Order: sequence, then structure tokens, then C-alpha cells
Amino acid sequence: EVQLVESGGVVVQPGGSLRLSCAASGFTFDDYTMHWVRQAPGKGLEWVSLISWDGGSTYYADSVKGRFTISRDNSKNSLYLQMNSLRTEDTALYYCAKDTVRATSTFDYWGQGTLVTVSS
Amino acid sequence: DIQMTQSPSSLSASVGDRVTITCQASQDISNYLNWYQQKPGKAPKLLIYDASNLETGVPSRFSGSGSGTDFTFTISSLQPEDIATYYCQQYDNLPSFTFGPGTKVDIK
Repeated sequence: EVQLVESGGVVVQPGGSLRLSCAASGFTFDDYTMHWVRQAPGKGLEWVSLISWDGGSTYYADSVKGRFTISRDNSKNSLYLQMNSLRTEDTALYYCAKDTVRATSTFDYWGQGTLVTVSS
Repeated sequence: DIQMTQSPSSLSASVGDRVTITCQASQDISNYLNWYQQKPGKAPKLLIYDASNLETGVPSRFSGSGSGTDFTFTISSLQPEDIATYYCQQYDNLPSFTFGPGTKVDIK
């Protein structure tokens, strides 16, 4: 059974930093592109970032480019999101999502999310 | 960037009704469109990929169609467990994979 479990979400002040983690199990982690998708409270879904199976390619939404860094450790079946220079508008539930075998940025499994609140 | 619109933003229908949601892209995205269901307090779930392909394990009352800029998502016979918000998502434009704003479906 595929499982994605996010952690690391807390309350942080504007300008602060945070690192989110996603522990994956139930599939061959290093075969798949992985993503972070976020959802502000009461709002819709926003794709944040992706990383290829080997970490060699990364992409970011314009809203986080230059502030967030996605990474992975295939030896630990783990995905990460380093978030710097946080803004109030980064407040959201952050989901880790697995791509399909075709790597088309289709999200076939999601974690339960971890809540990041940016507030003074 | 490709913008996605959905209509209606919300709807209320009776059990057994046929429900249709439309999604429009601001430019041609071929069939690079997915549909997700999000129940309250839960993570989204993939229902339809490549505009019209049913994800494994998803009931056949769900279907999708369309290509280019105009897409349709249909629930052929609404069930109480279908209460959710439904999102379309395009994946034509790397690296911006935009979602539609969502359609909230309720039981009348």
C-alpha cells in the first residue's frame, strides 16, 4: 500500500525558514517523480514544486522560486521542501504527491498534508 | 501561464441526478487534463487522467471528455458519497501545472 506521510509543519514568523519532510513507503521511491502541492485555508490547490526520480531536475512555481528548494534522499525514501523567506501567503496545508509511472505530473497518491502557518 | 476556469463554482443536485462540470483552458492543452475529487478534510484523489481515462478503482459513474480547451466531467448518477469539491488540472505547461478553482457538489 502506497503511503506518504508529511511532517514538519509549524507556526513560523514571516521571514523565517522551515523544512518539510515526506516519508514514502509501499512503492519503489526512486522510480518516481515527486511533487509538493499546497492548499491555503479554504482555497484551491496550487502546485509548488517537482523533483525527478534522481533529483537531477527540479521545477518550481513562480510564487516560490528562489525561496523554496525541493530535494530527495532515495536511500531514505524521503522527500523534502526547504522553505526560506516565508511570507504570510505561504500559509497552507502542504501535500506530498507521487507522480505516475509516465511522469506526466499526474498525482496518483497524496499524503494527508502538513500545515504551515506563517504569522507574527 | 495557462489559466483554468471551471463552471459552475458550486451545484446542488439530487441523488441519482446526472451532474456535469466544465473546465476550460486559456490555450490548447490537447488532452493533458486530470480530474480530482477532494472530500472535506481529506487529500485530493485522482479520478480521471488524460481527459477521459478512469483511474483504477474509480466507479464507472465518473467520466471525462474533451480536448483542446474545453473539457467535461460527468457523474452519471450522483451518490451521497460523491459530496466533494472537484478540480481539473492541466499538465501541458511545464513547469506550471495549474488547477481549476474547483466545483463544490452538494446533495439537494
